[in-house]
Amino acid sequence: EAGVVQSPRYKIIEKKQPVAFWCNPISGHNTLYWYRQNLGQGPELLIRYENEEAVDDSQLPKDRFSAERLKGVDSTLKIQPAELGDSAVYLCASSLQGGNTIYFGEGSWLTVV
Amino acid sequence: AQSVAQPEDQVNVAEGNPLTVKCTYSVSGNPYLFWYVQYPNRGLQFLLKYITGDNLVKGSYGFEAEFNKSQTSFHLKKPSALVSDSALYFCAVRDIGGKFQFGAGTQVVVTP
Repeated sequence: EAGVVQSPRYKIIEKKQPVAFWCNPISGHNTLYWYRQNLGQGPELLIRYENEEAVDDSQLPKDRFSAERLKGVDSTLKIQPAELGDSAVYLCASSLQGGNTIYFGEGSWLTVV
Repeated sequence: AQSVAQPEDQVNVAEGNPLTVKCTYSVSGNPYLFWYVQYPNRGLQFLLKYITGDNLVKGSYGFEAEFNKSQTSFHLKKPSALVSDSALYFCAVRDIGGKFQFGAGTQVVVTP
């Protein structure tokens, strides 16, 4: 069974440019998460979806970040415009609805120069 | 609010020696506790979890963790460390609403 798939794996952009990350969760997983992980730190939740609904987006910087999960399967996280401080790893994860374990993708490594 | 603390930034151990990575938590209600491992340039991999039942939980790659309710701890252990265990380890707690909180991580360095 395929795990959580993310793309691109690596992205280098100049500040003020837009960037988008894509995630396809494990088949059958209704819950999808986007986390941001800064170097040397633990993941921090940006947004959590239950099917198409964003049930927790309190930590998403809505002035520049947006996310969507239109059909309740794959999801896109966008940053526009990117700032130097956005350099981080963006991790997508998924779980069964109400499940106890979340499974992570390999991450999308963003460098803003 | 729930929280997780990993008091050690780094743990150094010689190959073949026992490995312990510490974690304490704070959560309302019964805790759901997890350990994940992250290798360089990779995502987090699930190791083990405690939901209920036996306080000693066994997981992947020979790791185990002991849940201690009175000390609010969930330390990760391995009886004999391998060089390949060198990685970043994260403890996490899940609340009843499904929100996960991760610790800051502990870098494990196993020397030959």
